[in-house]
Amino acid sequence: SQTIHQWPATLVQPVGSPLSLECTVEGTSNPNLYWYRQAAGRGLQLLFYSVGIGQISSEVPQNLSASRPQDRQFILSSKKLLLSDSGFYLCAWREVANTGELFFGEGSRLTVL
Amino acid sequence: SQQGEEDPQALSIQEGENATMNCSYKTSINNLQWYRQNSGRGLVHLILIRSNEREKHSGRLRVTLDTSKKSSSLLITASRAADTASYFCATDYTGGFKTIFGAGTRLFVKA
Repeated sequence: SQTIHQWPATLVQPVGSPLSLECTVEGTSNPNLYWYRQAAGRGLQLLFYSVGIGQISSEVPQNLSASRPQDRQFILSSKKLLLSDSGFYLCAWREVANTGELFFGEGSRLTVL
Repeated sequence: SQQGEEDPQALSIQEGENATMNCSYKTSINNLQWYRQNSGRGLVHLILIRSNEREKHSGRLRVTLDTSKKSSSLLITASRAADTASYFCATDYTGGFKTIFGAGTRLFVKA
């Protein structure tokens, strides 16, 4: 069966420090991968999605970036964090041929101080 | 913005009552999905309705879709305290890979 792992679960970082959040999927091949951000009590904002290795689409201009170095690995990064980067980051995947259900990780809560 | 709107933003009901949440979206879609999120957790898929479907049932869930009005509703019947969570609609727009979420409805079911 397929599983998705996301880490770290919580992170407290100072302004200006770098960020790396990692997401891996097991049990499937060539998934579509997604990064969403959720502000407290709000909906999900799509940040990046990827349909294949090295293919990244960015939805919102910001100081975050994403990479997909391997088929089932999706990384969210920043060189210098801003206060506004605080939030709950969610990774998700779905099968390429099936436009439908997204499977989410448990999320990474980032607090920038 | 492609993001849809949901209402109400928050809903408080007694156990056993029905809960209805509404969602509106903006352009042509392939399908519309509803998700549930417990506080501080990831989202869990509840039900998907395709653009050529008008109604779908899954257990105590009933979803309707009106493409002419670009709206959907989620009905939870005979609610339980364990249904307390946030509920989000999400749409897959025609021709894209993106799934766009609404702002969500926070449901509180009182025992």
